Amino acid sequence: SQQGEEDPQALSIQEGENATMNCSYKTSINNLQWYRQNSGRGLVHLILIRSNEREKHSGRLRVTLDTSKKSSSLLITASRAADTASYFCATASGGSYIPTFGRGTSLIVHP
Amino acid sequence: NAGVTQTPKFQVLKTGQSMTLQCAQDMNHNSMYWYRQDPGMGLRLIYYSASEGTTDKGEVPNGYNVSRLNKREFSLRLESAAPSQTSVYFCATNLEWGLYDEQFFGPGTRLTVL
Repeated sequence: SQQGEEDPQALSIQEGENATMNCSYKTSINNLQWYRQNSGRGLVHLILIRSNEREKHSGRLRVTLDTSKKSSSLLITASRAADTASYFCATASGGSYIPTFGRGTSLIVHP
Repeated sequence: NAGVTQTPKFQVLKTGQSMTLQCAQDMNHNSMYWYRQDPGMGLRLIYYSASEGTTDKGEVPNGYNVSRLNKREFSLRLESAAPSQTSVYFCATNLEWGLYDEQFFGPGTRLTVL
């Protein structure tokens, strides 16, 4: 069963705009990860944030984690057509070292 | 370095046929995983191998078997394929069991069972 659930399911924006997608989860986590999947390809790791961290940056990516609300957000600034992909959050919780993936947000960036 | 490779890329089977999906990694990682991805369902874990010589069931193991042949290779076998096993299969690895670190994924195998 999915632990993290992404919202929205689909997002369509223009190049240059910012894209924000959210992930909510149900139980306490050890860490939360974001992955990108281009059409027909495998998943690629973007960023990992641990339960004691609140914000992390990587290039144009900004991830926040609010453990009190059991939610995380991924912000892509100044989006490009090449950012078109599905984005998944994955959580590891309790004694499990295996991440559980959500259903993903499909992002389309129009040139 | 190739990273994580999977063969074949595509496969069409008839109901009842068997096949083995192959996964190999050159990253010297200890842990390996098999997932299936269905539309609207995200990734679901089939089996995993925390280290060479060990395998364990994941969320959806029925109808599958695995073999951790050595540190590099982890295969997934369908003994008697069913249409419900039509899916995209991904192999993934990470460095060490228990590190809560990132996973590295192969390109996937698209399987259709008629």
